[in-house]
Amino acid sequence: DSGVTQTPKHLITATGQRVTLRCSPRSGDLSVYWYQQSLDQGLQFLIQYYNGEERAKGNILERFSAQQFPDLHSELNLSSLELGDSALYFCASSVMAGGPRSYNEQFFGPGTRLTVL
Amino acid sequence: GEDVEQSLFLSVREGDSSVINCTYTDSSSTYLYWYKQEPGAGLQLLTYIFSNMDMKQDQRLTVLLNKKDKHLSLRIADTQTGDSAIYFCAVNQAGTALIFGKGTTLSVSS
Repeated sequence: DSGVTQTPKHLITATGQRVTLRCSPRSGDLSVYWYQQSLDQGLQFLIQYYNGEERAKGNILERFSAQQFPDLHSELNLSSLELGDSALYFCASSVMAGGPRSYNEQFFGPGTRLTVL
Repeated sequence: GEDVEQSLFLSVREGDSSVINCTYTDSSSTYLYWYKQEPGAGLQLLTYIFSNMDMKQDQRLTVLLNKKDKHLSLRIADTQTGDSAIYFCAVNQAGTALIFGKGTTLSVSS
């Protein structure tokens, strides 16, 4: 158990709908990262928050947004869902903000499997 | 941007050594990581190497880094069926994001 929790575990919805995925980081971790894992794209970095502020942005679509709340939990909002958004969405957390020069172990949650029908 | 490439599948017999290879394009990452994903679970850090090292050994795991060729490998000695999983190499992009390869599925047969 990494200490990172994600809810829900599974989510089935229809095209055009909007969903919210929730993540609680490990106690003491200030950074939260969101990743999308699909068979064809692999594991893609979406976005990072550090202590409530957006820190880095990856391949996140405009239909997707995220935020980190004062208690450090994070939510990923996916709207106008398409079939291609079906994937496993992971949240990870780390103590520090990270960077190419620093050691930055990320702890992953178990993921939310999103199926768009 | 950063690109990290891995072969997709590796099949070995129990007791053999497994070698998983990774190549990357951006050499600014000071740390390079190997993560493991077991079925139905999230990723878990397996080991890492500092970029000024050529080799790091951790029990059955050996990480080799060739900075000139931008090549990273993970060797698992005496591979067990419990080692069956997906293995990802990851490097830091300029910024803070970890860039992952697509993962190598290791299948261990008894």
